Amino acid sequence: GNSVTQMEGPVTLSEEAFLTINCTYTATGYPSLFWYVQYPGEGLQLLLKATKADDKGSNKGFEATYRKETTSFHLEKGSVQVSDSAVYFCALSPAFSGGYNKLIFGAGTRLAVHP
Amino acid sequence: GAVVSQHPSWVICKSGTSVKIECRSLDFQATTMFWYRQFPKQSLMLMATSNEGSKATYEQGVEKDKFLINHASLTLSTLTVTSAHPEDSSFYICSALGQGTDNYGYTFGSGTRLTVV
Repeated sequence: GNSVTQMEGPVTLSEEAFLTINCTYTATGYPSLFWYVQYPGEGLQLLLKATKADDKGSNKGFEATYRKETTSFHLEKGSVQVSDSAVYFCALSPAFSGGYNKLIFGAGTRLAVHP
Repeated sequence: GAVVSQHPSWVICKSGTSVKIECRSLDFQATTMFWYRQFPKQSLMLMATSNEGSKATYEQGVEKDKFLINHASLTLSTLTVTSAHPEDSSFYICSALGQGTDNYGYTFGSGTRLTVV
């Protein structure tokens, strides 16, 4: 079946450190891949996405590359800020979703950035 | 941008009672609403999908008589947990897909934490 596995948190970093949050997936065919972010007290927001192999999604300094050979979609940022503290969810939308684009989520990784 | 208002943000109820959670799309028409449930330190699990004016489609293992979903208008969907029990305690989140948006343009509510005592 379809599933998403992401690294357990919390991840604690100092400001300006490099961030990697690992995400791997299991799916049939070529799913679409997403990273969502949830700031405290708010709903999930789309951070970036990639819809085919070797695509790179990027937004607000975050990047993730769709790697079909390793079934991965790791999230990276070169220099984190305190304002990046949030919970990050990796997700996939199966190649065939029965007519609608349902999302399958990882467990989420909490990031805490200290000044 | 698109906003989905979800209420209440938290609720405590007694075992055996029912609880209703509302999600309203404030500035767009939500043709499809997804309802998720999240246990601590676990994934968001899709419970059901509803299209305005139609019966909801439930995921395998989700009791449709226990989790009643109504999507009677393009701006409002509700989830009612009937005869709640402590094992229903969880975090519930809705997500809306609007008319004319990118199919990946989900807008999420801020979630409802339900505690059944």
